[in-house]
Amino acid sequence: GQSLEQPSEVTAVEGAIVQINCTYQTSGFYGLSWYQQHDGGAPTFLSYNALDGLEETGRFSSFLSRSDSYGYLLLQELQMKDSASYFCAVRAGGGYQKVTFGTGTKLQVIP
Amino acid sequence: EAGVTQFPSHSVIEKGQTVTLRCDPISGHDNLYWYRRVMGKEIKFLLHFVKESKQDESGMPNNRFLAERTGGTYSTLKVQPAELEDSGVYFCASSPRTGRGYEQYFGPGTRLTVT
Repeated sequence: GQSLEQPSEVTAVEGAIVQINCTYQTSGFYGLSWYQQHDGGAPTFLSYNALDGLEETGRFSSFLSRSDSYGYLLLQELQMKDSASYFCAVRAGGGYQKVTFGTGTKLQVIP
Repeated sequence: EAGVTQFPSHSVIEKGQTVTLRCDPISGHDNLYWYRRVMGKEIKFLLHFVKESKQDESGMPNNRFLAERTGGTYSTLKVQPAELEDSGVYFCASSPRTGRGYEQYFGPGTRLTVT
């Protein structure tokens, strides 16, 4: 099976940079995704890394190291609206695109 | 393009009753997934359809849960009889079979409360 670990809570100041780490254990790894979920809302896709390195999309970047079974989500120029839960998710296994989610990191952005 | 829709948005039922949740995926998406999130815990995988076929149902808790996707379009998830521990938010997600299949589009969820 798959398992993922990420911090349960992170607090950061508006305008700052925050990094949310994710480590995973899995077999048949395809890639690592990140999703954002605001309270009461649906998870929304942020990024996907299949290969090692950094993927940048605006203020958000995601990094993957397959050899270390590790990735992170980097949020820059934090805004109050970035307060949400962030989930890493592993796409792995021998079947069709099974995705296993971590427990989520609740990010609180403070003024 | 319409997103993933789910019905109902909320459901409150008594223990022992039956509830059926519905999910309409994005048109053309062959992959359909059901997930459950309980009290701020992880988003737990329940099962995965490819068109009308169950590709993986390893996350289904027990035989009180029955999912169907007749015709490969919308899907239903029936809980019968419901137990207290079934409470949570049930999400449905869909993705295309090719291309950006790794990007799942989630519906707004159905908040199920079993009393």
